[in-house]
Amino acid sequence: EVQLVESGGGLVKPGGSVRLSCAASGFTFNSYGMNWVRQAPGRGLEWVSSLSSGDVYIHYADSVKGRFAISRDSAKNSLHLQMNSLRTEDTAVYYCARGGYGDPEDFWGQGTLVTVSS
Amino acid sequence: SHELTQPSSVSVSPGQTATITCSGDVLGKKSVRWFQQKPGQAPVLVIYRDTERPSGIPERFSGSNSGTTVTLTISGAQVEDEADYYCYSATDNNRVFGGGTKLTVL
Repeated sequence: EVQLVESGGGLVKPGGSVRLSCAASGFTFNSYGMNWVRQAPGRGLEWVSSLSSGDVYIHYADSVKGRFAISRDSAKNSLHLQMNSLRTEDTAVYYCARGGYGDPEDFWGQGTLVTVSS
Repeated sequence: SHELTQPSSVSVSPGQTATITCSGDVLGKKSVRWFQQKPGQAPVLVIYRDTERPSGIPERFSGSNSGTTVTLTISGAQVEDEADYYCYSATDNNRVFGGGTKLTVL
């Protein structure tokens, strides 16, 4: 059974940093693209970043480019999102999702909430 | 960057057909996924590659593509289909969601 479990969210001050993790199980992790998608309170879905299988391609939304970094630890079947220089507008539930780069985003985690506030 | 435009809300009675559109210039070249999201839950993929339905998704969900507009159709909508629906597309360097459509089945 495919499972994705996010962790690492919490309260952080503006300008601060946080690292999100997504533990993957039930599939060959390195064979799939992975994604981070966020949803601000009461708002729609917003794509954040994608990483292709084998880590060949990486893409970021303009709103996070230069501040966020996506990475994969294949030995631990974990996806990460390092978030730096956080702003209040980064407050959202962050979801990891399997797929992209030609494959549908077919499995999603339950999300982790990041709140950026002083 | 590219944009995808959806109606903010659609309302139907149970058993009626619900149609949700998504328009954008890139849709003539790139395929679309549709996601269903119920309150407090993660999104669920209901259509990919414009018309394909994942296993486990009821047959009443279907998708179509007519150039720069794609459509999600729910034939015989059920009360449990009430949710937010998002279209999503990827170009070479960007990915974008539509603004979302709140479907009310009442």
